[in-house]
Amino acid sequence: KNEVEQSPQNLTAQEGEFITINCSYSVGISALHWLQQHPGGGIVSLFMLSSGKKKHGRLIATINIQEKHSSLHITASHPRDSAVYICAPIYNTDKLIFGTGTRLQVFP
Amino acid sequence: DAGVIQSPRHEVTEMGQEVTLRCKPISGHNSLFWYRQTMMRGLELLIYFNNNVPIDDSGMPEDRFSAKMPNASFSTLKIQPSEPRDSAVYFCASSSEKGTQYFGPGTRLLVL
Repeated sequence: KNEVEQSPQNLTAQEGEFITINCSYSVGISALHWLQQHPGGGIVSLFMLSSGKKKHGRLIATINIQEKHSSLHITASHPRDSAVYICAPIYNTDKLIFGTGTRLQVFP
Repeated sequence: DAGVIQSPRHEVTEMGQEVTLRCKPISGHNSLFWYRQTMMRGLELLIYFNNNVPIDDSGMPEDRFSAKMPNASFSTLKIQPSEPRDSAVYFCASSSEKGTQYFGPGTRLLVL
């Protein structure tokens, strides 16, 4: 059983829509990464957060440590946001455990 | 900074051959991670180093896999002998103390 559950697994949207991707994990963590992987394969860390909320441009990430839940929001989505988004909680010291990813496609 | 550098970017080899993947972390980062990504299993941590010392190698599949970090600016992941099931994309990432991890571009390995 994967310790990290993401939903939805696949998501399609029209340009401009508000997007939410959810992540739940089963044990206590120190922090959590949201990663973005484009079709070319490169992986970029969008956020690392341990509490509250972080915002970067049109992207917002929130985390509730007590409820073991995090969300990634994209406002005014754009086709270039099309990618796989991966939730990766950090256990113990620096060990990342990866979610299965959410494949997002934004159509013009 | 050039970011995390991995080489080669692509490797095609025959079953039984030795494969060596290389990684140069971002200067000043003291943690280095090796990951593997496959369609079936997604992303998995293989091993990570802190200050050049292996901290957790529980993800290393079997004895055919070995990793070294002889100094702060270089690490290798070796597979000997390679098998078709080792075909995957291997990512290296580095971070400063408790910081964001920065991923390299990956090495796409195909074992025939």
